[in-house]
Amino acid sequence: GAGVSQTPSNKVTEKGKYVELRCDPISGHTALYWYRQSLGQGPEFLIYFQGTGAADDSGLPNDRFFAVRPEGSVSTLKIQRTERGDSAVYLCASSSFGGLDTEAFFGQGTRLTVV
Amino acid sequence: SQQGEEDPQALSIQEGENATMNCSYKTSINNLQWYRQNSGRGLVHLILIRSNEREKHSGRLRVTLDTSKKSSSLLITASRAADTASYFCATLRQAAGNKLTFGGGTRVLVKP
Repeated sequence: GAGVSQTPSNKVTEKGKYVELRCDPISGHTALYWYRQSLGQGPEFLIYFQGTGAADDSGLPNDRFFAVRPEGSVSTLKIQRTERGDSAVYLCASSSFGGLDTEAFFGQGTRLTVV
Repeated sequence: SQQGEEDPQALSIQEGENATMNCSYKTSINNLQWYRQNSGRGLVHLILIRSNEREKHSGRLRVTLDTSKKSSSLLITASRAADTASYFCATLRQAAGNKLTFGGGTRVLVKP
């Protein structure tokens, strides 16, 4: 597609439920990032994929969070047993793995609200 | 944890004035990037400066990088109301697997 697409744009869920957030990166981009952003804060790194594998998942806050990218394109961020503190905007970005001049292209984010 | 810290956290200026914001970081980097965000959603890449560069220009944007002080500045000249947004610096370290790490941002308000 023309840009990074994230669905849904908004998600309201009840505490304790399971949610999946989807990211469609720019075609051909091998690198994919997930970030979480709370109001008034900068994006907080969650996980980085290079191809199908998670190159760095050090930002995942706990084992309720998991992300996959089985075919090296679309990625899904999965959150189990959601808590109110998980409420935030979840941002996805992709980039081509081209060395030191690689900029990241961001989607519009999914606003997750846990009630 | 956040690698970069922006200063000031918020900035209010009149249209036509220049806006300057600073970013400090903690570890060695390969490049530093500035992004803009409107209305708390998607970020837009503005400019990238490599660690071996000291200054870069793009339109009304001027970025400097001082690796000895681990700091960068973003200057927006002749600001417009449409420049109202949050601005974030992000650092990339190949040693950290090309992870892009963001600071807390500067919220800029340009008054017409």
